[in-house]
Amino acid sequence: ETGVTQTPRHLVMGMTNKKSLKCEQHLGHNAMYWYKQSAKKPLELMFVYSLEERVENNSVPSRFSPECPNSSHLFLHLHTLQPEDSALYLCASSQGGGGGYGYTFGSGTRLTVV
Amino acid sequence: DAKTTQPNSMESNEEEPVHLPCNHSTISGTDYIHWYRQLPSQGPEYVIHGLTSNVNNRMASLAIAEDRKSSTLILHRATLRDAAVYYCILREGGSQGNLIFGKGTKLSVKP
Repeated sequence: ETGVTQTPRHLVMGMTNKKSLKCEQHLGHNAMYWYKQSAKKPLELMFVYSLEERVENNSVPSRFSPECPNSSHLFLHLHTLQPEDSALYLCASSQGGGGGYGYTFGSGTRLTVV
Repeated sequence: DAKTTQPNSMESNEEEPVHLPCNHSTISGTDYIHWYRQLPSQGPEYVIHGLTSNVNNRMASLAIAEDRKSSTLILHRATLRDAAVYYCILREGGSQGNLIFGKGTKLSVKP
């Protein structure tokens, strides 16, 4: 256990479903991130939250909707996904936005869209 | 974000030291050098980071060239559990310095 917990670990959903991924950290970090890792591709940064405010959205389609209700929790709401959205979704947190701090990652949610 | 160049893959023997190289010739003065590794079916794991001086921790050592245009991650005694993809990443020192991953080096460890 890394200190960043992601649920569920595995998720299968149909293209018309709505589901949410959850991420929780109790490390006292104030920045949280969503990454996507597709097969054979590097991790792609999706969203950045700093002090519960979204500070970056890397051209992610609107069918992905993040939410950060407090500094310990981060959600990724999913709706009308496509099969190409099947991937490992990783959450991370860090003490701050600066380069002197490392990230702590969760184990990810393996998403399959059918 | 400044770019890094790493070999696609490396092999090592168990219980021997491993030196994983990384080139970052366009590094800026405020960029930190971060290393992460990712074991199969897991999220990335922080290994070490540094700015100018060499760094040691319980997992590894980071040797940074004097001109900071390259660095080397040193695993002092490779074990089978060290087989992973190792990522060398430059992260800006400012508040918007995010972690942008490349392809990394896939390290295989032979018994």
